[in-house]
Amino acid sequence: NAGVTQTPKFQVLKTGQSMTLQCAQDMNHNSMYWYRQDPGMGLRLIYYSASEGTTDKGEVPNGYNVSRLNKREFSLRLESAAPSQTSVYFCAGANRPGNTIYFGEGSWLTVV
Amino acid sequence: AQTVTQSQPEMSVQEAETVTLSCTYDTSESDYYLFWYKQPPSRQMILVIRQEAYKQQNATENRFSVNFQKAAKSFSLKISDSQLGDAAMYFCAYRPFPNAGGTSYGKLTFGQGTILTVHP
Repeated sequence: NAGVTQTPKFQVLKTGQSMTLQCAQDMNHNSMYWYRQDPGMGLRLIYYSASEGTTDKGEVPNGYNVSRLNKREFSLRLESAAPSQTSVYFCAGANRPGNTIYFGEGSWLTVV
Repeated sequence: AQTVTQSQPEMSVQEAETVTLSCTYDTSESDYYLFWYKQPPSRQMILVIRQEAYKQQNATENRFSVNFQKAAKSFSLKISDSQLGDAAMYFCAYRPFPNAGGTSYGKLTFGQGTILTVHP
C-alpha cells in the first residue's frame, strides 16, 4: 500500500521554467491537497480538491495551477517558476471531511 | 480566519522524562478537529494524535496525550517516557468541520512548529 506518492522528490529549476508536480494516492481519498513548507514554518495550503472534478484556492495560490485528473491523481503546475517558489511541497489526501489528512513524503523544489 | 500559535520554538527533554508542547488557536467555530503532527528530519509528516472538539475526553495514543481546553482554545501535547526517536519538529494543526457551502472543506491550518530535542 503506497499511500500518497509524489514525484519528483527533488527538482532544480531555472527562473521562468515550468514544471508539474505529480501526486497519486491509493487510499480512496475523496479530497486532496497541495501544501508548501518554507524553512522554519508550518505548511500553507496552495490548492485543494474537495472531490473529483473540483478545485479551489487555498492560502497561497498565486503562481500555481492544479488539475484533479481523476480520483487518484492531483497535479500542481508552476507555469513560470520564481525563486520565491523554492520550498518543500506536500501532497495530501483524506477520505471524508472528518478524517485525518495523510501526507506524501514531500518534493524539494529549488528555483535558481 | 483561524490561526494556530505555538509559542515554544524549541523545547528539550531528557530521555525517559515528560515534556509538554503548547498550542493555542483562534476560531469562532464550535465544531472542528485538532491534530499534532511530527516531522522528523526526513520531512515526512506523521500523525501523532487527533482530537474532535465535540469530545470532552482528551485523546491518548500510547505515550502521547493531549490536554484539550475548549473554552481556553488550548491544545497541548504531553509526551511521556520520552525516547530518542521522539526528536523532531512538532506541528499543531486545526481543521474546521466542513460547512454546507464547502468553503472550509478540509483546510488544515498549521502552527509554526516546535523543535523537540531529546537528550540521552
